[in-house]
Amino acid sequence: EAQVTQNPRYLITVTGKKLTVTCSQNMNHEYMSWYRQDPGLGLRQIYYSMNVEVTDKGDVPEGYKVSRKEKRNFPLILESPSPNQTSLYFCASSPLGGAGGHEQYFGPGTRLTVT
Amino acid sequence: GENVEQHLSTLSVQEGDSAVIKCTYSDSASNYFPWYKQELGKRPQLIIDIRSNVGEKKDQRIAVTLNKTAKHFSLHITETQPEDSAVYFCAASYKAAGNKLTFGGGTRVLVKP
Repeated sequence: EAQVTQNPRYLITVTGKKLTVTCSQNMNHEYMSWYRQDPGLGLRQIYYSMNVEVTDKGDVPEGYKVSRKEKRNFPLILESPSPNQTSLYFCASSPLGGAGGHEQYFGPGTRLTVT
Repeated sequence: GENVEQHLSTLSVQEGDSAVIKCTYSDSASNYFPWYKQELGKRPQLIIDIRSNVGEKKDQRIAVTLNKTAKHFSLHITETQPEDSAVYFCAASYKAAGNKLTFGGGTRVLVKP
């Protein structure tokens, strides 16, 4: 089954304790992206990657890191989480190419609470 | 960069009526405009999209219209049903910006039986 998976789905942690949220897709998509969703603010892009070893900042990258060592995986790293990073996080992937503009497939989401 | 605005944060309609959600965008280079539906506790899922070389696209009860001159696009849902209750997000992107999708803030649609 074609899908994007994220782990963990729920996480409660404390300020300053490093954490990683994993994201994996099995559709051989070049493009992967991380979003955070906060009430009234829609989905804001944190980082994106257009291929292996190619990553770039989105609109709200501060406090986050990513890596893309393999095509299927795109982990999100919070080196020192703070309470303002409490949010719902979505990973997404899509193909590239052609005239651009392709459906993004979203993972199930990770609800993170930082106390 | 691109800025996408959804002017309605909530929309309440009677079952069977039509719902229209409008979005405006700022970057005239944008050429791809998808709409995503997010049910409570679920992930966003694409319901319809349109490219800038097309003015209107329909898929059963949903349609999207695009006005490039005015830089706005709208989602139309006809004969609304309770299962249409969800949050709807519009977005815009273009290839030169790395296919980056910029989302609007979302519109919560409530269909009242």
